[in-house]
Amino acid sequence: DAGVIQSPRHEVTEMGQEVTLRCKPISGHNSLFWYRQTMMRGLELLIYFNNNVPIDDSGMPEDRFSAKMPNASFSTLKIQPSEPRDSAVYFCASRSTGVSFNQPQHFGDGTRLSIL
Amino acid sequence: DQQVKQNSPSLSVQEGRISILNCDYTNSMFDYFLWYKKYPAEGPTFLISISSIKDKNEDGRFTVFLNKSAKHLSLHIVPSQPGDSAVYFCAASVYNQGGKLIFGQGTELSVKP
Repeated sequence: DAGVIQSPRHEVTEMGQEVTLRCKPISGHNSLFWYRQTMMRGLELLIYFNNNVPIDDSGMPEDRFSAKMPNASFSTLKIQPSEPRDSAVYFCASRSTGVSFNQPQHFGDGTRLSIL
Repeated sequence: DQQVKQNSPSLSVQEGRISILNCDYTNSMFDYFLWYKKYPAEGPTFLISISSIKDKNEDGRFTVFLNKSAKHLSLHIVPSQPGDSAVYFCAASVYNQGGKLIFGQGTELSVKP
């Protein structure tokens, strides 16, 4: 089975540019999560969706960050305009609530973002 | 405010011996706990979990223990193997918060041959 697929794996861009990160969750999973990993703050949740609907975006750092999930198989995280402090590894994860609400999340391999 | 804490940034163990990774939490509402393993340049991989109604869960070489009164959980790996060398993250969630995970800072385990 294909896991969570993220693209691109690496992104280097200049400050002020728009950045779009993409995620394809595992087929059949109905929850999707975006995380950011930095040395200072570790792994922190930015936003999550249930059945394509944003549920909690309290972790989104600023209005420059936005996320969408137009359908069950695709999500984007956009940063506009980007700043050097946005440099981090961004992970997408998905899970299925299935018969139990306690189900583990499965992570993609991340996008390493560098803003110059 | 760090709700999930892994106080040891690193741990070194000899192959064949037991590895014990520790995690403390402050939020008594947490009722589901997970351990993830992460290799460089890869995403975290789910390892094992435990619900708050249990105090132990075992899967092969991996056992997670939960002490709710102490707000403490630990992951035991027996016997440790060089391939277990990775960063281990403890995570916690509250049942009615949609699976939102709060992660610890991670512990880097090194298993030496």
